[in-house]
Amino acid sequence: AQSVTQLGSHVSVSEGALVLLRCNYSSSVPPYLFWYVQYPNQGLQLLLKYTSAATLVKGINGFEAEFKKSETSFHLTKPSAHMSDAAEYFCAVSDRGGAGGTSYGKLTFGQGTILTVHP
Amino acid sequence: ETGVTQTPRHLVMGMTNKKSLKCEQHLGHNAMYWYKQSAKKPLELMFVYSLEERVENNSVPSRFSPECPNSSHLFLHLHTLQPEDSALYLCASSQDPRPWGSRADTQYFGPGTRLTVL
Repeated sequence: AQSVTQLGSHVSVSEGALVLLRCNYSSSVPPYLFWYVQYPNQGLQLLLKYTSAATLVKGINGFEAEFKKSETSFHLTKPSAHMSDAAEYFCAVSDRGGAGGTSYGKLTFGQGTILTVHP
Repeated sequence: ETGVTQTPRHLVMGMTNKKSLKCEQHLGHNAMYWYKQSAKKPLELMFVYSLEERVENNSVPSRFSPECPNSSHLFLHLHTLQPEDSALYLCASSQDPRPWGSRADTQYFGPGTRLTVL
């Protein structure tokens, strides 16, 4: 079974500082990996996803994430935080199917990390 | 605007009431999902409809009853709920892998319905 662990339920940074949100996955084969963001009173919005085309994935709003198979990690980074980045961030995995897999994209989510940005 | 709308945005109901949540997607997708988002818990997948067929019922109590009349609409019928059912209910859609999509296809989420059960 797949699982996702997000280290740190709360991360606080100053405006202009580096943002690093950690995600580790557990899967027998490298899965598809996603980062979603949720702003207050809104649904989830995709930031970026890894589908094996490239290990460094660039997303919207200046975010990027690097897939590291040896570390089973997919950490999210942004060089310089903006006040508008304050939100909750979710890492998720989807299996690649095959025998015993589902025929649709079943996502397993981490518990989320709340990012606070201080002026 | 994500192309997935949900109504109502807020709902307060008593334990004996019957209500329905509605989700509509305008993206041409053929798979739709219900998730429950409770405080301090990961998003929980409740139901999946793919090509209008229910393909997953994730051990959800029978007081939640989904309905998918067509590929654009998804309902969640609620009856005799408990206070612990209070949560944000999110709808999502994606392209089913059969036959054109892949498991990497993005799920697009609606804004959710904030449900409070008194």
